[in-house]
Amino acid sequence: GNSVTQMEGPVTLSEEAFLTINCTYTATGYPSLFWYVQYPGEGLQLLLKATKADDKGSNKGFEATYRKETTSFHLEKGSVQVSDSAVYFCALSDPDAGNNRKLIWGLGTSLAVNP
Amino acid sequence: DTEVTQTPKHLVMGMTNKKSLKCEQHMGHRAMYWYKQKAKKPPELMFVYSYEKLSINESVPSRFSPECPNSSLLNLHLHALQPEDSALYLCASGAGAASTDTQYFGPGTRLTVL
Repeated sequence: GNSVTQMEGPVTLSEEAFLTINCTYTATGYPSLFWYVQYPGEGLQLLLKATKADDKGSNKGFEATYRKETTSFHLEKGSVQVSDSAVYFCALSDPDAGNNRKLIWGLGTSLAVNP
Repeated sequence: DTEVTQTPKHLVMGMTNKKSLKCEQHMGHRAMYWYKQKAKKPPELMFVYSYEKLSINESVPSRFSPECPNSSLLNLHLHALQPEDSALYLCASGAGAASTDTQYFGPGTRLTVL
């Protein structure tokens, strides 16, 4: 079946450090891929997305490239800030779901950035 | 504007109460979703409405009853809940139909069942 595997956290970094959160997927078709972020006490926000192979999504200094050959969608940021402390979820749109747009989620990675 | 609003922000209810959660979007989206999320876990899909018709019910107990009065509104009626139903309830909307459909989430209602 379709699935998403995310690196386990928590991840703790110092301000201005480089961030990578790994995400790999298994899918039978051609899913779209997403990163969502959840700040403490808030709902989920779409951070970035990619809809086909080799697409790069970017937002707020975060980037992720849809790599079909390695079935990966790793999240990166060159210099993290304290305000980036949050839980990050990788997700894919289930290509077997027809018109019912179910998302398949990774377990989430908690990031803490220290000043 | 990609805003989904939810009310109330917080809700405390007893196991015999009846309450409702509300969700609204004005993006013209035709798909709307209810999710339940426990702390630091991914959201669990509960219901999907597509073009105002219930298209997915993920075997949710009948004490949760969704309603979609029109294309902008989504309600979740709660009755006789259990303490384990305490969670963050998230509403989301999406344009509908396309495989690249992005879901936009509201801020959630934090529900506590006593």
